[in-house]
Order: sequence, then C-alpha cells, then structure tokens
Amino acid sequence: DGGITQSPKYLFRKEGQNVTLSCEQNLNHDAMYWYRQDPGQGLRLIYYSQIVNDFQKGDIAEGYSVSREKKESFPLTVTSAQKNPTAFYLCASQYETGPYEQYFGPGTRLTVT
Amino acid sequence: GENVEQHPSTLSVQEGDSAVIKCTYSDSASNYFPWYKQELGKGPQLIIDIRSNVGEKKDQRIAVTLNKTAKHFSLHITETQPEDSAVYFCAASNAGGTSYGKLTFGQGTILTVHP
Repeated sequence: DGGITQSPKYLFRKEGQNVTLSCEQNLNHDAMYWYRQDPGQGLRLIYYSQIVNDFQKGDIAEGYSVSREKKESFPLTVTSAQKNPTAFYLCASQYETGPYEQYFGPGTRLTVT
Repeated sequence: GENVEQHPSTLSVQEGDSAVIKCTYSDSASNYFPWYKQELGKGPQLIIDIRSNVGEKKDQRIAVTLNKTAKHFSLHITETQPEDSAVYFCAASNAGGTSYGKLTFGQGTILTVHP
C-alpha cells in the first residue's frame, strides 16, 4: 500500500446521506485518482487530479464530487445522487512527469442501506 | 477512448504449472502497460509493467510480453505457488499524452493455484 492511506476501511451509511472518503499520500506524487470496483468488474475511474486545485471527471463521475486543496489529500464525496453507491473505493497516486507507476491505497468498502 | 479486454476471467492451475493471462487493447497510442495483483480486501499491487519500446520484460517468475502490431500483451507466471492466487488486472495508458496517467483496466482474472 506504500504511502497511501485511506480511511475508514469499512463505512456504513443510510440511503440519502452524503459520505466522504479520505485519501492521503506522503509520496510527493502530483496526480491522484479515485476508482470504483464492483464484484467481477475491473476498476472504473471516477475522478482524477493532476495538480492542486484542479481535477477532471473520469468515466463514472455522476453522483460523486472531489476536492484537491492540498497535494497530499484527495477526498471523495459520495452524494445521495449516486444511485448505486455500495462498492469498494480505491485511491491511487503517481508522479505527473514519470515514472508512470500508479500506486494504490488499501481501499474503503462502502455499504449503503 | 481506450478499451481493454482481458482473458480468461478465471484460471485454475496446479502448483508448479505456468499461468498465462492475455489482454488486448484498442488505442494504438497506448504506450504503458502495467499488471496488478489484488488480494482479497486489499488494494491492487503493481507487479510488473512494460513500455511500448520493448517487447518483453522479466522479473524472476513473472514476465510480460507486448505485441504492438496485434495490440495485445500477456502476463506469464512460471512455477506457480499457492501464494500467487489472487485477482490479476491488466491496464493500458497513453503516458505522456493528453490523458496522461489515466489507466484503463481489464476486467480481471481470478487465478487459483492448487497445492
């Protein structure tokens, strides 16, 4: 898991509530990413940020929001607009100008009932 | 955009056998191809990667081959051990391009190594 931490490991919420997942890295990486993983599927990109105060939508951004106020932190908010929020959420980071290796955190399993 | 197909979805081998997982990609501009191993309940771990300027890379029991013409790459694990059992993902990206660093993942292969 390197220097990427995600908290909490397990998160339970009631439907209709917003919830924020934490991601912190001490690798001095420029870029950070949020992925969603569902059983039997690959990782799908939600949002990514290549620099502080800037971020881009990924393939499945609807119902999610992010902020990048510090280089080390990239929190993800799962809003009540996300229709199927129960999933395993993974944060990753990498250097912007190479090497290109992307490193992942341990993940947060979110369950919404 | 890029599309990555991974096969097989499940692979069962006996300890000591070899395992091969194959991926195809659609975007000829992709130039970076990592492989990740994910154990149950954990984040993916990078195990090997290859860039488009080489055709093969090896690290102990693990090797990756790349065929740019056919747009496919493969992971080879020799002398498999029970601890190799995990889900393996391939990915592709156009590192250094306009979508720098964005990885597109395959669907994953569940590898089971029987003692």
